[in-house]
This record gives sequence, structure tokens and C-alpha cells, in this order.
Amino acid sequence: DAGVIQSPRHEVTEMGQEVTLRCKPISGHNSLFWYRQTMMRGLELLIYFNNNVPIDDSGMPEDRFSAKMPNASFSTLKIQPSEPRDSAVYFCASRPLQGTNTEAFFGQGTRLTVV
Amino acid sequence: DQQVKQNSPSLSVQEGRISILNCDYTNSMFDYFLWYKKYPAEGPTFLISISSIKDKNEDGRFTVFLNKSAKHLSLHIVPSQPGDSAVYFCAASATSGTYKYIFGTGTRLKVLA
Repeated sequence: DAGVIQSPRHEVTEMGQEVTLRCKPISGHNSLFWYRQTMMRGLELLIYFNNNVPIDDSGMPEDRFSAKMPNASFSTLKIQPSEPRDSAVYFCASRPLQGTNTEAFFGQGTRLTVV
Repeated sequence: DQQVKQNSPSLSVQEGRISILNCDYTNSMFDYFLWYKKYPAEGPTFLISISSIKDKNEDGRFTVFLNKSAKHLSLHIVPSQPGDSAVYFCAASATSGTYKYIFGTGTRLKVLA
């Protein structure tokens, strides 16, 4: 398996533009997480899906952020409009089983720079 | 409010010596804990985990200790190797809840040759 696949790896955009980050989880994994890494807060959980349904979006910082999971093999995180403080590395992770003690597998991340 | 805390942002250790990374948590509902290692420009990779029914779990050079009364866990690496130089994240979850993993801010370990 290729692992969790994120695209793009790097994104540079101007303030006010819409940004869409994409994630393909490992086949058969039915839990998906979006994290943001910053120096101050470490790996911050933004939203968590279980069987394509958002379970907990309490970490989504503002209404400018939205996430979808239209099917088991694809998820997006959208920021509209983007701001310089959104600059960070965004990670997607998936886990094979819901409700059990298993580790999550991370993608390589998308480094977002908003100028 | 940071529920998982790693109070040491960085640590330097000589090759061959023991590295000890610490993690504290505040939520008494947490009952499953993990350590991840992260190299630059890569995603975090799973290292070792421990359930709250145990107080120690060992995997080769890596051992995790859990002190539930103190809400504290630590990762021991013996002996430390230069390839262990990375950022280490502690994570916790409550298996009676939504199973989401809450991460700390990370500790950057540098193993000196």
C-alpha cells in the first residue's frame, strides 16, 4: 500500500485566496484525521471523520475552514479565504479500525504558505 | 488548553547514552498513549504505544513508562543513536470517547556522535 497520500506537498497562495488540501487514506481505513503542525501548538487536531461522517470538528479554528469526506477514499480541507496565520504544515492521518487501540498512519503533509 | 504537554522543547544526548523524553497529560479519561517520531519534511511515524492497564511497554531500544497517578509518561531510548535525532510527539486518547488522538507540542532530540 502506498500509505496516506496528500496533495499538494507545497502550496503558496496569496491572502484571500481559496486553498484546497487533499487526502487519500489507506484503503480499508475508516477513520480519518486532519492535523495542523505549528511551533506553538504542536500537532493540533482540526477534524476527525469516522466512516466518512465528521465526528468532531471542535478543532477547526474558524468558519473559514471546512472539511469534507465524500467517500471512503478521499477527503479535502478547504480554507476560504486564506490568511497568513494559516501558514503551517497540514497532515492527514488514517486509522484501520474504529473503537480499538490502533495507531494512526500519517501522510507526508502539505506545507501551506499564505503571503 | 493543552491536554497533553511536552515541557522540554529540545534535548541533546551523547551517542550510546540514554535519552528520556517526558510527557504529561491532564485528562484522566485518557487510557491509550502513543509516541511518534518525525523527521524533517516527513509525516510522523508511529514508534510505540501503551494502554493504561500497563505501566511499561518495551520494543527493542524503546521503552515507554506510564505513571497514571502522576498523569505522566516517558519514553526511554537506550542506547541512543544518531539516527534517533528527530522530533518526538506524545499522543493520548480516551477509548471510551471518540478515539481522537491529542498530541503534545513535541521534543526535538539531538543525538551527538
